[in-house]
Amino acid sequence: EPEVTQTPSHQVTQMGQEVILRCVPISNHLYFYWYRQILGQKVEFLVSFYNNEISEKSEIFDDQFSVERPDGSNFTLKIRSTKLEDSAMYFCASSGGGDRVLDEQFFGPGTRLTVL
Amino acid sequence: GESVGLHLPTLSVQEGDNSIINCAYSNSASDYFIWYKQESGKGPQFIIDIRSNMDKRQGQRVTVLLNKTVKHLSLQIAATQPGDSAVYFCAEFNQAGTALIFGKGTTLSVSS
Repeated sequence: EPEVTQTPSHQVTQMGQEVILRCVPISNHLYFYWYRQILGQKVEFLVSFYNNEISEKSEIFDDQFSVERPDGSNFTLKIRSTKLEDSAMYFCASSGGGDRVLDEQFFGPGTRLTVL
Repeated sequence: GESVGLHLPTLSVQEGDNSIINCAYSNSASDYFIWYKQESGKGPQFIIDIRSNMDKRQGQRVTVLLNKTVKHLSLQIAATQPGDSAVYFCAEFNQAGTALIFGKGTTLSVSS
């Protein structure tokens, strides 16, 4: 069964450093997403991406964040200068083949980011 | 604004009981809802979805009920098993259909 994969599973970084979280969405999907979940809290939307551009972003997704689809398989989230409050689980998700944007989103296992 | 929420943060049941997890949403224009299950250390896993033109949808051991009048969603799990222990989230799409908005989650604990 196809699945979304994410690397690394755990990333530890110093405050102010740049991190890149990587995702490989399901191969025939067209819509890609990043969410985050601070420990013990709900999952929060960060950004959605379609047709090589951001289609929606939340207030959390400020100028420190960027996304990229550098090739036909990877989808990355970059945090330019990490802050302590960026510590969270980051989930990548993908959905949709075709025009149906309202479709089930498949989530990856997450990357746990710890900022020291 | 757009938001979803759950009535109870925790639910404890005995194995074999039926479980009911509730969710209230605020956006009356929402037309697609999803229940996700999240086990410890894993990403959310799709359980079942329902569109606003339906009141009820059944899956394997799970049923979702949608009451649009009071903007209430529920997930019923029949014959709950220890493997059902997890955090359950309801989610709806934002108005543009570009993002999922999650509720706070109910932790289901199943004891044998």
